[in-house]
Amino acid sequence: GENVEQHPSTLSVQEGDSAVIKCTYSDSASNYFPWYKQELGKRPQLIIDIRSNVGEKKDQRIAVTLNKTAKHFSLHITETQPEDSAVYFCAANGNQFYFGTGTSLTVIP
Amino acid sequence: DTEVTQTPKHLVMGMTNKKSLKCEQHMGHRAMYWYKQKAKKPPELMFVYSYEKLSINESVPSRFSPECPNSSLLNLHLHALQPEDSALYLCASSLNRGGPRLVEQFFGPGTRLTVL
Repeated sequence: GENVEQHPSTLSVQEGDSAVIKCTYSDSASNYFPWYKQELGKRPQLIIDIRSNVGEKKDQRIAVTLNKTAKHFSLHITETQPEDSAVYFCAANGNQFYFGTGTSLTVIP
Repeated sequence: DTEVTQTPKHLVMGMTNKKSLKCEQHMGHRAMYWYKQKAKKPPELMFVYSYEKLSINESVPSRFSPECPNSSLLNLHLHALQPEDSALYLCASSLNRGGPRLVEQFFGPGTRLTVL
């Protein structure tokens, strides 16, 4: 099956700085890579996703890059704001969704 | 309607109780999922229903019993749970299970379960 590793497990940045979270996967057949944001006590919410036929996707302050050869993908958040503070999960779809272990992001005002 | 709903929001039960969690979606999705999530951990897949048929059971103990009465509803029946089963139970749905354009999963708000 698929194995998704996510780093770092915790990340603190100053407001306005950028944050980068990285994930690696093992199954070369995986072709869909979503990122979920989960605030305390709330549901995971899809914030951006990328499919294996593209290398980069951007949505305002959020971008995701995918390197299929190296089997890794990254989430980039620019101009971070306190409301970006949450746990972020990457995922890859093998036979089912495989989630990374999560990154707890804290944006310090 | 573009949401997955779950009831109840919170549930406290004893180890001898029988209770059920409910999940509903009206987006025409044909795949529905149950996940268990402990604090600060990723969701762990429990069951997958595809076209109302159970397609994945991730070796979940029999004290958890899923049911899919129709394409919009998913239940999780609970019986003789243990304190370690306390967690957030999330339901999710997707248009279908497979295909590159069809796997986006939408999560419900979850049921916070406490087993005493």
